[in-house]
Amino acid sequence: QVQLQESGPGLVKPSETLSLTCTVSGGSISGDYWSWIRQPPGKGLEWLGYVFYTGSTNYNPSLKSRVTISVDTSKNQFSLKLSSVTAADTAVYYCASLGGDFRSPYLDYWGQGTLVTVSS
Amino acid sequence: SYVLTQPPSVSVAPRKAARITCEGNNIGSKSVHWYQQKPGQAPVLVVHDDSDRPSDIPERFSGSNSGNTATLTISRVEAGDEADYYCQVWDSSSDVVFGGGTKLTVL
Repeated sequence: QVQLQESGPGLVKPSETLSLTCTVSGGSISGDYWSWIRQPPGKGLEWLGYVFYTGSTNYNPSLKSRVTISVDTSKNQFSLKLSSVTAADTAVYYCASLGGDFRSPYLDYWGQGTLVTVSS
Repeated sequence: SYVLTQPPSVSVAPRKAARITCEGNNIGSKSVHWYQQKPGQAPVLVVHDDSDRPSDIPERFSGSNSGNTATLTISRVEAGDEADYYCQVWDSSSDVVFGGGTKLTVL
């Protein structure tokens, strides 16, 4: 069974860039889509974007100008960068695999999540 | 962008059935997926493609979808089912869309 684990700084200063990595184990990152989702404290889920193992991406339109998702197949990892962060970007960030039919995919495996706080 | 609307909360007595709705414009034409999230934990997929269950999810969890409403039904509710539940669809313009979530309380 595929397992995902997020890693990265838990504290980021305002205006800086948030960087997280998701390591995939128990399976290959090749052949699938991989996604980032976040959840502000006490609030709902927000999809950030996805990357295909080839490197092609798609982002949430509301965050598109600030989000970059990339993949490193040699390390079985994919990464998130969110630029110009503010306190509103404080959230638990999850990585997940995007499975199912390509016309209606769903998030079948999730990491445990990592809390990132934006504060000076 | 496509919007999914869920009731903020649903309460149910133990061993009764809980029904959590997810409303969206002509949602019946889309495939709906449901996630369960317990406090401090990552979401878990409980129903996909309207009514299919992952192999490790109890049969008590079922789903339906028609018209403008999709429904997650949990039969014979247990205390351990108390959680937040989110619906999700794929939309051609918005990609992955989540509902706002419903907090299920077991009385």
